Amino acid sequence: QVQLQQSGPGLVKPSQTLSLTCAISGDSVSSNSVAWSWIRQSPSRGLEWLGRTYYRSKWYSEYAPSVKSRITINPDTSKNQLSLQLNSVTPEDTAVYFCARGSEARGVPFDYWGQGTLVTVSS
Amino acid sequence: DIVMTQSPDSLAVSLGEKATLNCKSSQSVLSSSNNKNYLGWYQQKPGQPPKLLIHWASTRESGVPDRFSGSGSGTDFTLTISSLQAEDVAVYYCQQYYSPPRTFGQGTKVEIK
Repeated sequence: QVQLQQSGPGLVKPSQTLSLTCAISGDSVSSNSVAWSWIRQSPSRGLEWLGRTYYRSKWYSEYAPSVKSRITINPDTSKNQLSLQLNSVTPEDTAVYFCARGSEARGVPFDYWGQGTLVTVSS
Repeated sequence: DIVMTQSPDSLAVSLGEKATLNCKSSQSVLSSSNNKNYLGWYQQKPGQPPKLLIHWASTRESGVPDRFSGSGSGTDFTLTISSLQAEDVAVYYCQQYYSPPRTFGQGTKVEIK
């Protein structure tokens, strides 16, 4: 059974960096048949896919244009987890952040999700 | 980006009645290579992450009750709940995974009449 456990601070000051971690159990971050994404949800923006990382003989990352200049998603193979860093945050980045697994090669989008982390950007 | 538009925004249905939710994409999500529609449907209850119900527009996930069914192709899709149960009260989202960035609809809120 795949489980994704998120951790990280719930409050970040404007202009600082939002950092979250997603610990994976029941699967491997290095699996060559899945991809690992970060998605956020806010009343103003709805559900918004931010980006993903995946391993296919080497590591790849893809990011949404809306955050591409500010985001980094990294795998940590030693801890079997992935991380999200979003730089230069503003109150517009206040949202619930989710990590999720996708298996698009099998036609499955996001089949397992983390529990969600509410991140508030405020001074 | 592919824009996903759902209708209606909210829907009130009597217990045991049918609920029909619509989703339209701004461009086709049908792959010519495998004839599959890269369209998923999710159910989200308060305080929970979305739960995947259907992928490839019409394939139910394991454990999803068969009162949930998906249909459509190309740009127009439908999620049908054949006999609404109290536990089906939720917000439902469609999502395309045909091309990046993956995009979601704004959601349809289903309530009991």
